Amino acid sequence: AQSVTQLGSHVSVSEGALVLLRCNYSSSVPPYLFWYVQYPNQGLQLLLKYTTGATLVKGINGFEAEFKKSETSFHLTKPSAHMSDAAEYFCAVGGTASKLTFGTGTRLQVTL
Amino acid sequence: GAGVSQTPSNKVTEKGKYVELRCDPISGHTALYWYRQSLGQGPEFLIYFQGTGAADDSGLPNDRFFAVRPEGSVSTLKIQRTERGDSAVYLCASSPQTSGNGNEQFFGPGTRLTVL
Repeated sequence: AQSVTQLGSHVSVSEGALVLLRCNYSSSVPPYLFWYVQYPNQGLQLLLKYTTGATLVKGINGFEAEFKKSETSFHLTKPSAHMSDAAEYFCAVGGTASKLTFGTGTRLQVTL
Repeated sequence: GAGVSQTPSNKVTEKGKYVELRCDPISGHTALYWYRQSLGQGPEFLIYFQGTGAADDSGLPNDRFFAVRPEGSVSTLKIQRTERGDSAVYLCASSPQTSGNGNEQFFGPGTRLTVL
């Protein structure tokens, strides 16, 4: 069985500040890990993913995430927030089965 | 190219009615997924097709829910005797092949179903 926990349903940062969205997972098999972003009235868009290899993964829009097996974490970061980053972010885990298991999401607010 | 499309974008129905939700995947994608997203929650897996067959339907909540993909492309999610608790956004995703290898799933915009 797989599960995802996203700490903080709402995160607010100032424009230009560091963005840190937390994700911890549970998986009985080596996980594939994903971050998706959802803008209002739009579908989920992939930000980045970890499958194998390098544990620091870079994605679109300046986001990156680091897979830490010992901590079962896959936190999402961005050095400097932009107003356009305001959205809902979902962490997801997949394994040898095809379905994705999502967290409950974190709504990011960016203030001036 | 065209992404995943879903119709209708919004569906309002009355309790007890039957509804069909349609998904057009990206051309050539063999894997197709249905998820349900309730308010304030992340998407929850319903069913996965590989080609025409349902490879995993473990997420369907009960026998009122059924999905088909007769020609391996378009899929229809069917809900019988709708209940107010079925109100949610139903998301469809497709992938070039099974995501068992960590392949990206491409999501459509969803169908918002409201059961009155």
